[in-house]
Amino acid sequence: AQSVTQLGSHVSVSEGALVLLRCNYSSSVPPYLFWYVQYPNQGLQLLLKYTTGATLVKGINGFEAEFKKSETSFHLTKPSAHMSDAAEYFCAVSDWAGNQFYFGTGTSLTVIP
Amino acid sequence: DTGVSQNPRHKITKRGQNVTFRCDPISEHNRLYWYRQTLGQGPEFLTYFQNEAQLEKSRLLSDRFSAERPKGSFSTLEIQRTEQGDSAMYLCASSLRQGEAAEAFFGQGTRLTVV
Repeated sequence: AQSVTQLGSHVSVSEGALVLLRCNYSSSVPPYLFWYVQYPNQGLQLLLKYTTGATLVKGINGFEAEFKKSETSFHLTKPSAHMSDAAEYFCAVSDWAGNQFYFGTGTSLTVIP
Repeated sequence: DTGVSQNPRHKITKRGQNVTFRCDPISEHNRLYWYRQTLGQGPEFLTYFQNEAQLEKSRLLSDRFSAERPKGSFSTLEIQRTEQGDSAMYLCASSLRQGEAAEAFFGQGTRLTVV
């Protein structure tokens, strides 16, 4: 069984400050992990993914995430927040076969000018 | 190719009516997924297709819901005898599975409101 927990349904940061969005997963098999971003009334856009190999993965728009197996975590970070980063962020987990993607409940990011 | 396309973008229907949504995936993608998303929640898996074969269905997919993917191209999701609880955003996604899992590309969704 696989599941994702996103700690903090709402996160507010000042423009230029560090963004940290937390994701912990549960998986009985080696996980494939994803971060998606969703803007209002839009679909989901992939930010980055971890499959195998390097545990620090870089994505679009300056975001990155680190897979930590010992902590079962895949937190999303960005060194400096921009106003355009305000959106809903979803962490997701899949298995090797990709038969399903299990999503967390999301974290709404607000960027304060 | 401009990505996954969903139609209509918005649908308002009266309780008890049937509705059908269409999804056109990215052309070479062999996997197609349907998800449902309610306000403040993450997407919940409904079903997925590998080419034309429907391989898995969630328990969320009651007998009022049916999905098809004829010829392994576009897909339709039909909801019969709609209920107010069916009001949600219905998301379609596609991926190209060649060996290991690949990321899913999402459409913009169809927002259903049942009144």
